[in-house]
Amino acid sequence: GAGVSQTPSNKVTEKGKYVELRCDPISGHTALYWYRQSLGQGPEFLIYFQGTGAADDSGLPNDRFFAVRPEGSVSTLKIQRTERGDSAVYLCASSLKIAGVGNEQFFGPGTRLTVL
Amino acid sequence: AQKVTQAQTEISVVEKEDVTLDCVYETRDTTYYLFWYKQPPSGELVFLIRRNSFDEQNEISGRYSWNFQKSTSSFNFTITASQVVDSAVYFCALTSLGGATNKLIFGTGTLLAVQP
Repeated sequence: GAGVSQTPSNKVTEKGKYVELRCDPISGHTALYWYRQSLGQGPEFLIYFQGTGAADDSGLPNDRFFAVRPEGSVSTLKIQRTERGDSAVYLCASSLKIAGVGNEQFFGPGTRLTVL
Repeated sequence: AQKVTQAQTEISVVEKEDVTLDCVYETRDTTYYLFWYKQPPSGELVFLIRRNSFDEQNEISGRYSWNFQKSTSSFNFTITASQVVDSAVYFCALTSLGGATNKLIFGTGTLLAVQP
């Protein structure tokens, strides 16, 4: 079956602009996660959705970052007033469950965001 | 606090050599899960293995094997008879249900270069 897809694959924007990054999880996966990966680092957790609700947004760096998942499937990560420090690869993952067999997360190819 | 340490930043081996990637974790939770992911030059994180805290059995999958030892809080990964295609960054990750989110805490990764 299809894996996690993310669009766009690359996004270049100017400082101060607004961007939206989209994630389409594996069909049937109720849990969806966003991570951010800077060069030479491991992914860092941003936010987790169980169904439509954000169950844990403790990783969002500030209020310029927001994410939604209105129908419990596709999710959009929104960044307002982008800053150069927001430049990174934004990764989306999904899992069938959050505990037990099936809690492994499958990742998409990522969106590389560059803020000039 | 939860933490994953991958002390080896880079490892270089010659094809057919065996190589072990180290992972040490910290958590106060009694129920947790450990994972290994591979990130090849293409960038997409590939799930390799999931292990729960109650299962200390070692696992072998082809040329890959994993050694989980709770006594030393380690979950090491060995590649036998390495191949050039094994060249990638390997991440160890931890999740627990203390916060009921299944968010992954990643190490900083180990870059493995397999020379022909």
